[in-house]
Amino acid sequence: QALLVESGGGVVQPGKSLRLSCAVSGISFSNFAMYWVRQAPGKGLEWVALISYDGMKTKFADSVKGRFFISRDNFENTVSLQMNSLTVADTAVYYCATSTAVAWDSWGQGTLVIVSS
Amino acid sequence: DIVMTQSPDSLAVSLGDRATISCKSSQSVSDSSNNKDYLAWYQQKPGQPPKLLIYWASTRESGVPDRFGGSGSGTDFTLTISSLQAEDVAVYYCQQYDSIPYTFGQGTKLEIK
Repeated sequence: QALLVESGGGVVQPGKSLRLSCAVSGISFSNFAMYWVRQAPGKGLEWVALISYDGMKTKFADSVKGRFFISRDNFENTVSLQMNSLTVADTAVYYCATSTAVAWDSWGQGTLVIVSS
Repeated sequence: DIVMTQSPDSLAVSLGDRATISCKSSQSVSDSSNNKDYLAWYQQKPGQPPKLLIYWASTRESGVPDRFGGSGSGTDFTLTISSLQAEDVAVYYCQQYDSIPYTFGQGTKLEIK
């Protein structure tokens, strides 16, 4: 059973940066791709980024491309999301998720990012 | 990008009755090489992360009650709850995981009538 725990959220001013982390346990972390998904207050789910099991492939939603970067440490079993040039539109709960078997079957509890002056 | 459109946006159903949610994709999410539809359904309760209910359009995730069922293929999919229970009150999302960018439907809020 995978356990995913996000951290790093908080209040940040527009234009600033923030780094989120997701610590993963209970699975062979280095075997699985990882995803970040966000949910603005009262809104739906939006896929943000993915990183392949070995870190060699990354993909981003157009809304964050060039501003957000994803990385992983397969020794520490963590995945990170570096968020730069934040705007009010980036305010959301950010979830990390993975597919240990099928679809996206494991999710963290999320970390809230508020971009506000 | 594949656009996922759910209907209705909200739904009120009496306890014990059937609830049906539709999801349509703007292009096929089927893979002819393996005959699978890359379509999942998630349930999200307030303050909680999404929970996987159905994958491959119709396969129930382990531990999900059998009153939840998924059907459809290609571009048209349905989530059915055969006999609504109080604990099923939630927002339900469909998702295509066939191609990047992965996309979700806008969500359907299910309530008790």
